[in-house]
Amino acid sequence: TQLLEQSPQFLSIQEGENLTVYCNSSSVFSSLQWYRQEPGEGPVLLVTVVTGGEVKKLKRLTFQFGDARKDSSLHITAAQPGDTGLYLCAGQRRTNAGKSTFGDGTTLTVKP
Amino acid sequence: DAGITQSPRYKITETGRQVTLMCHQTWSHSYMFWYRQDLGHGLRLIYYSAAADITDKGEVPDGYVVSRSKTENFPLTLESATRSQTSVYFCASSEGGSQKTQYFGPGTRLLVL
Repeated sequence: TQLLEQSPQFLSIQEGENLTVYCNSSSVFSSLQWYRQEPGEGPVLLVTVVTGGEVKKLKRLTFQFGDARKDSSLHITAAQPGDTGLYLCAGQRRTNAGKSTFGDGTTLTVKP
Repeated sequence: DAGITQSPRYKITETGRQVTLMCHQTWSHSYMFWYRQDLGHGLRLIYYSAAADITDKGEVPDGYVVSRSKTENFPLTLESATRSQTSVYFCASSEGGSQKTQYFGPGTRLLVL
């Protein structure tokens, strides 16, 4: 059972374009994290969101947690080739403290 | 160097052989995790540990064994490797509790022939 659905699975855009990737679930999470993974490396945490409706910004990246804490989005403004990578969302529940459920990821390619 | 390390980084083995993947962290994090990552899939949890001598199954534990006699080490053993266990394996650690960052190792690429 895939609890976290990410879309799109693949995204290829030109440098300078904007994009949004989505992470959706029918379950409620106490917190949600976004990770970025480059080829040949492990994932690295970008952000954690914990409050419904919360918006966090990290330079050109904007993260939003849904009001019902079932979904999240990642918006990148003016994408750059350095943004290329696999973006993973991961949800945490209070009943499973310490464990995370990962989505299948969105593979982003930004062409110069 | 401080951090989380995995060894070996690459491994080729044959069906039926036993293989052990090592994971070591220097932060004294209480939680440690093993994931596998396959093409088209995100990270699937194999086993995790909340503390030394405490381990629990994740989403895909069949065919794997773990132990955690020391806080800093969390080896993963494939008792009798199968081709379906060809994958990239990631170890991670965290301080535990919700919202805590998981720090990932560089991964072990395992090929089972």
